[in-house]
Parts: sequence; structure tokens; C-alpha cells
Amino acid sequence: DTGVSQDPRHKITKRGQNVTFRCDPISEHNRLYWYRQTLGQGPEFLTYFQNEAQLEKSRLLSDRFSAERPKGSFSTLEIQRTEQGDSAMYLCASSLVPRLVEAFFGQGTRLTVV
Amino acid sequence: TQLLEQSPQFLSIQEGENLTVYCNSSSVFSSLQWYRQEPGEGPVLLVTVVTGGEVKKLKRLTFQFGDARKDSSLHITAAQPGDTGLYLCAGERGSTLGRLYFGRGTQLTVWP
Repeated sequence: DTGVSQDPRHKITKRGQNVTFRCDPISEHNRLYWYRQTLGQGPEFLTYFQNEAQLEKSRLLSDRFSAERPKGSFSTLEIQRTEQGDSAMYLCASSLVPRLVEAFFGQGTRLTVV
Repeated sequence: TQLLEQSPQFLSIQEGENLTVYCNSSSVFSSLQWYRQEPGEGPVLLVTVVTGGEVKKLKRLTFQFGDARKDSSLHITAAQPGDTGLYLCAGERGSTLGRLYFGRGTQLTVWP
């Protein structure tokens, strides 16, 4: 399978705990994106990487959130001191530059903070 | 405030009916995409339109990009239960290349 892979698919955590999600993009894609989707909303942009460089971060990405893409391959998104408002579906996508931003999404990680 | 406004938010129709979903903005987009999302899954790309006035067909689905590249529509002919899902439009702006702006989506339910 050469699609975007996310792990875990579901995560339940207690408020205040740290969580980390992993995304493996399509192998030849050099861009990797993180989006967040809450119920009844479309995905909201969080950040994106081109190779290993983080090129843009949304204001939604508070200082409790950090994303990395070491070596320009897989990426991790960490949320520190989780809050109930962090409960959402976290979506990873990848695309190939210089083509259009045709993002291919993974299945997402559903985070529930209790 | 959503950059892209989709309408209607919900659509419930019988199998065989036609429908149109709209995606509107006051901003110009360099490209616009339509995705379909199933519950608990990530969005799946259906089509990308880049030229004002462009029309693309994908079997029973017809996508149109407005002449001014500010709006788009998705028309489904003879809807089937398998078309049920959340339809999302997303646009890329020249000023913020790299990110997609999504609408809130149209939840379509097609009853047999």
C-alpha cells in the first residue's frame, strides 16, 4: 500500500497528558501537511513541511503543539498538556511539489481528551 | 469566518434524483478541489480545477470552476446510495501557497 499512513487511528487520553501521532506520507511526496477537523467542520490547516523544513504554521498551532519531520520522511505531531478542546480528528496529508496542492490524506487519528 | 462557504450544509434525497452543491467565496483561488469523506476516514480527492470556467466530468459528477475563480459547483446526476458522504471543497490561494482552505462540507444522504 502506497497511501498515507497514520498511527494510531484512535487515542484516548486524560487531560494534561502528552500525546504523539505519527504520519508516513506517500514515499515520493516531498510535502507533508497536518490538519485538524472537529465535528461539523472542514479540516483546518495546522502546518506543513517541504522535505524536512517546516514552512508554515497556523495560529491554531499553539505552543503546546509541535511537529517534526526529521530526514524529510515521516512526521510526528506532539500535543503537550492536552486539553478537552484538543479533541478532534488529526489528519495528515502529502503532496508532490511543484504540482498543485493535491493533498492525499491519511485515515486520521481520532483524539479524545477526557 | 470560513473563506469558502458551502451550501447546502445537509442534503437528503432519493436515489435517482439530481443535485448541486455550491462552494462560494469572495476570494480568488489559484486552484480548487473537491473531496469526499466517509465517517471516520480522511478526505479523498475527487477532482482539481485550475482554470476559470473549467468544467470536469467524473462519471455522474460534474465539477465547474467559476469564471472569476471564486466559486465552484458539484453536480451529481442520478444520485445513488453509494454517493452518500461529506463533500468538501478546498481552495489554494496564490498568496498562501502550500495550504488548503476547506469549506464546512455538505453532508449528502441518498436513500434507496
